Amino acid sequence: GAGVSQSPSNKVTEKGKDVELRCDPISGHTALYWYRQRLGQGLEFLIYFQGNSAPDKSGLPSDRFSAERTGESVSTLTIQRTQQEDSAVYLCASSLETSGNIQYFGAGTRLSVL
Amino acid sequence: AQKITQTQPGMFVQEKEAVTLDCTYDTSDPSYGLFWYKQPSSGEMIFLIYQGSYDQQNATEGRYSLNFQKARKSANLVISASQLGDSAMYFCAMRSQYNFNKFYFGSGTKLNVKP
Repeated sequence: GAGVSQSPSNKVTEKGKDVELRCDPISGHTALYWYRQRLGQGLEFLIYFQGNSAPDKSGLPSDRFSAERTGESVSTLTIQRTQQEDSAVYLCASSLETSGNIQYFGAGTRLSVL
Repeated sequence: AQKITQTQPGMFVQEKEAVTLDCTYDTSDPSYGLFWYKQPSSGEMIFLIYQGSYDQQNATEGRYSLNFQKARKSANLVISASQLGDSAMYFCAMRSQYNFNKFYFGSGTKLNVKP
């Protein structure tokens, strides 16, 4: 596709349930990022994938959060046993590893934990 | 540690006038990149402009320019001839060349353009 695609666009879940969020990066982009954006706040880095290298997971807030990416394709962010504080917009971005490293963002998944 | 500070939670500007959105940063790395993104109400983050720390000239992209003052560690965004469609959240971000993985974002500035 032309841009970064995220699904679902909205997700409502009950506390304690697991959720999976999907990100399709721009074709050919080797780097992929996940961010969390709480209401009225900036972006918090969660995790970074670069090609087949080991991901940088240093931003994941707890062991309930995990993410996978196969090669340079789709990534899935999984949140287990969701809590109300997980409610946020989860943004995915991809980029080429070139000077400047401009990130292109998807429209995000709005997660609401009831 | 890297840090981005945007001190203006909200700004108003009259249509067709220029506006400056402030951004200061803190880093000890000698080489880094500075970015501005726009986030309209639809939620998608849109890249606006990039400035490398060793670039001699301020970056410009159409109506956007970045007022880069390295000694002051500031990277203010200037929008000229504001349009109603410029109403959005604006985020300043930084990435160190020594820590390729992470982008650090400020808390954002909400810009409202008045007709």
